[in-house]
Amino acid sequence: VQLVESGGGLVKPGESLRLSCAASGFTFSTYSMNWVRQAPGKGLEWVSSISSSSDYIYYAHSLKGRVTVSRDNARSSLYLQMNSLRAEDTAVYYCARAVPATAKAGFDYWGQGTLVTVSS
Amino acid sequence: QSALTQPPSASGSPGQSVAISCTGTSSDVGGYNYVSWYQQHPGKAPKLMISEVSKRPSGVPDRFSGSKSGNTASLTVSGLQAEDEADYYCSSHAGDNNFVVFGGGTKLTVL
Repeated sequence: VQLVESGGGLVKPGESLRLSCAASGFTFSTYSMNWVRQAPGKGLEWVSSISSSSDYIYYAHSLKGRVTVSRDNARSSLYLQMNSLRAEDTAVYYCARAVPATAKAGFDYWGQGTLVTVSS
Repeated sequence: QSALTQPPSASGSPGQSVAISCTGTSSDVGGYNYVSWYQQHPGKAPKLMISEVSKRPSGVPDRFSGSKSGNTASLTVSGLQAEDEADYYCSSHAGDNNFVVFGGGTKLTVL
């Protein structure tokens, strides 16, 4: 199992960014996927979850309305579109696979993360 | 402020046992058997250590165990080893309104 995030970088407040996560080593289309972020020196914060066929999508209250999660099962890829970025969105963004039993049970594989820095 | 409350630090000597608590509410920890624990070494991605309160994924040493009572979950590390020194985070399912919540993390020091 391998998860590789990309798309992070330095952006100005108010700008947008699209993160990607390329998955391999497992049948991507059968797993719920998630984004989790970690601000520098801080704890983990769940961002969003999307079910295997995109039927169920959930967002953290703090980001709702500014982020959109999506996936392309044909490409084994997960995406996070982030708009109206703020300084407090500065963090490492991790892509994480949900435990097979249920998306509620935890995240069993994580990527190495991609750093998003929001600064003028 | 994190949704789940963890002590900021814990410590123990090699060979000892240490327990880390994770306190939530009846809307998360107390309401579901979906508590997970993650280990994170500096500069690394988190690693799942316990899922569904007490299930250990393949490859995780049996020195790690999880439990829950009411609104508080616990991770116990027995026979502490130097490599167990890391940050530990709990998480819980919190219903469809706020799907997953994390604790603030506990820094475990092996003395």
